[in-house]
Amino acid sequence: DAGVTQSPTHLIKTRGQQVTLRCSPKSGHDTVSWYQQALGQGPQFIFQYYEEEERQRGNFPDRFSGHQFPNYSSELNVNALLLGDSALYLCASSFASPGEAFFGQGTRLTVV
Amino acid sequence: AQSVTQPDIHITVSEGASLELRCNYSYGATPYLFWYVQSPGQGLQLLLKYFSGDTLVQGIKGFEAEFKRSQSSFNLRKPSVHWSDAAEYFCAVGGIRGADGLTFGKGTHLIIQP
Repeated sequence: DAGVTQSPTHLIKTRGQQVTLRCSPKSGHDTVSWYQQALGQGPQFIFQYYEEEERQRGNFPDRFSGHQFPNYSSELNVNALLLGDSALYLCASSFASPGEAFFGQGTRLTVV
Repeated sequence: AQSVTQPDIHITVSEGASLELRCNYSYGATPYLFWYVQSPGQGLQLLLKYFSGDTLVQGIKGFEAEFKRSQSSFNLRKPSVHWSDAAEYFCAVGGIRGADGLTFGKGTHLIIQP
């Protein structure tokens, strides 16, 4: 079992650009959540996808959007990047209720 | 709104000594509680979880945690720490589906002294 895989591992973008991050959930999982972890902070919930729909959303602006595909993989898109978007972006997958979340290694995004 | 407080930003423990990391939560219903560990530059690994039942839960790597509803606490313990336990530890509370929209504390950085 490959677990939760994220790509790319590192990314450098310029302010104002757009970025897409990708996540493949753990085998058998149908729910994907995205988190932003700024340096020295705990992860903050961005949103969660289930059955290709956004089921829940945290306190993030509309610049942050996502998608879930029929194979349960997911993308996180961020438009009009700001310097403050620099962070480790974590994807987590889960299944059933109550479920536990399994995290990927994250994508380190640097906005310059 | 749910919240998690980890009052200790840093904790230093000698190798072989016991450890307790504190976690207090605020949640309107019966909480689902988690402890995760994160090594530098890595993702999060689940140490243990509490969903219901026995309030003392066992996890991986010799860790355990006790859920105390009256104190809104879910403290993590280990009887004897190893140098490899040095990492960042996060307490989290989940929603009605357990892993829904986890709310994390700010973390406790554990330093192990030889």
